[in-house]
Amino acid sequence: NAGVTQTPKFQVLKTGQSMTLQCAQDMNHNSMYWYRQDPGMGLRLIYYSASEGTTDKGEVPNGYNVSRLNKREFSLRLESAAPSQTSVYFCASSWTGVETQYFGPGTRLLVL
Amino acid sequence: QQPVQSPQAVILREGEDAVINCSSSKALYSVHWYRQKHGEAPVFLMILLKGGEQKGHEKISASFNEKKQQSSLYLTASQLSYSGTYFCGTGTFGNEKLTFGTGTRLTIIP
Repeated sequence: NAGVTQTPKFQVLKTGQSMTLQCAQDMNHNSMYWYRQDPGMGLRLIYYSASEGTTDKGEVPNGYNVSRLNKREFSLRLESAAPSQTSVYFCASSWTGVETQYFGPGTRLLVL
Repeated sequence: QQPVQSPQAVILREGEDAVINCSSSKALYSVHWYRQKHGEAPVFLMILLKGGEQKGHEKISASFNEKKQQSSLYLTASQLSYSGTYFCGTGTFGNEKLTFGTGTRLTIIP
């Protein structure tokens, strides 16, 4: 039982490059989330998926797209990376929105 | 709008007590508390649902005052392992997402 896994752990991009962050959970959770964490800003929600087949914007969705591929997997895509997207990205999952969220280990992204 | 946490940072000696507060401008349905150690993912501590109940165990507990839209986390007789940044996440009724505060950094020194 791995919980929530994220790949890659670290990534360096040049401005304008694209990449996809992968997230998978093995807890049969319905809801999945993508957050970014910047110093002094706490966790800010980028996108979430309340159930398979649905996605909704969070607080800071600009510059990102998501795909809920199936119940287990929820990916985050940066189409054209910008230095402002340098951050630590966390994926999380829960049974529903009011239940405990379990976080993955994070992806540290640096955009030059 | 993010909930407001106070204090932003606190330093305690081992064995001392701490209170961390979380206030929201919205009517709350739930408050979640997480602890994050440096370089790691946030780890769940507890959830409080509308009803004003106090939850927790002997050393770490929390209360939820829905009228004041506030929650407080109580750490009693703090241990070195309590060091980290504490976040509250607030949820509103019918909403599938949480809004997290900016965190309270707790440092416990021997």
